[in-house]
Amino acid sequence: RKEVEQDPGPFNVPEGATVAFNCTYSNSASQSFFWYRQDCRKEPKLLMSVYSSGNEDGRFTAQLNRASQYISLLIRDSKLSDSATYLCVVYAAGNKLTFGGGTRVLVKP
Amino acid sequence: NAGVTQTPKFRVLKTGQSMTLLCAQDMNHEYMYWYRQDPGMGLRLIHYSVGEGTTAKGEVPDGYNVSRLKKQNFLLGLESAAPSQTSVYFCASRTGRTSSGNTIYFGEGSWLTVV
Repeated sequence: RKEVEQDPGPFNVPEGATVAFNCTYSNSASQSFFWYRQDCRKEPKLLMSVYSSGNEDGRFTAQLNRASQYISLLIRDSKLSDSATYLCVVYAAGNKLTFGGGTRVLVKP
Repeated sequence: NAGVTQTPKFRVLKTGQSMTLLCAQDMNHEYMYWYRQDPGMGLRLIHYSVGEGTTAKGEVPDGYNVSRLKKQNFLLGLESAAPSQTSVYFCASRTGRTSSGNTIYFGEGSWLTVV
């Protein structure tokens, strides 16, 4: 089993709709969690950190479920510009950063 | 406001040739990483460094060597390039000193083709 797993998608989303997807992790000692966005042929860029209590940044909401060991990302009112691959990143002690394989989201008119 | 800079951005190599990718960061970060990303796949860690003069193997280190002689630079070397090393290479860095230091910053990538 991979340490960090994501549904590769693609998630085909009508413009204006809501889409949500998860990232599961196997290391119960994981400490910090992040969502990164990667556009085609570009470098990943930080979208948002994921806090224990859940957090929101505009149309994006991130949640952490430690009991079930997953994080989630929800995008409301999807825009065409939200089309990208979303990578989850899990940080554990010992300087170990692990990336998920990414979830591809395609927002269509 | 350079951040993380990688050179070269594009390179075509013949099988058996050697080359070095340079990563430079101007943020005084302690930790630096080299990843490769193949089509449809996630990022795989090649080597990393937790400070000047230190290096460690990641998930896929075979065929690569690294050096961190200066804090701001992290070099990735291919001694004898193979077609399986055709990939996009990303360098990244982070400070690691505070809880917010887990944010990782990436360079723009280096596209390498081995023919």
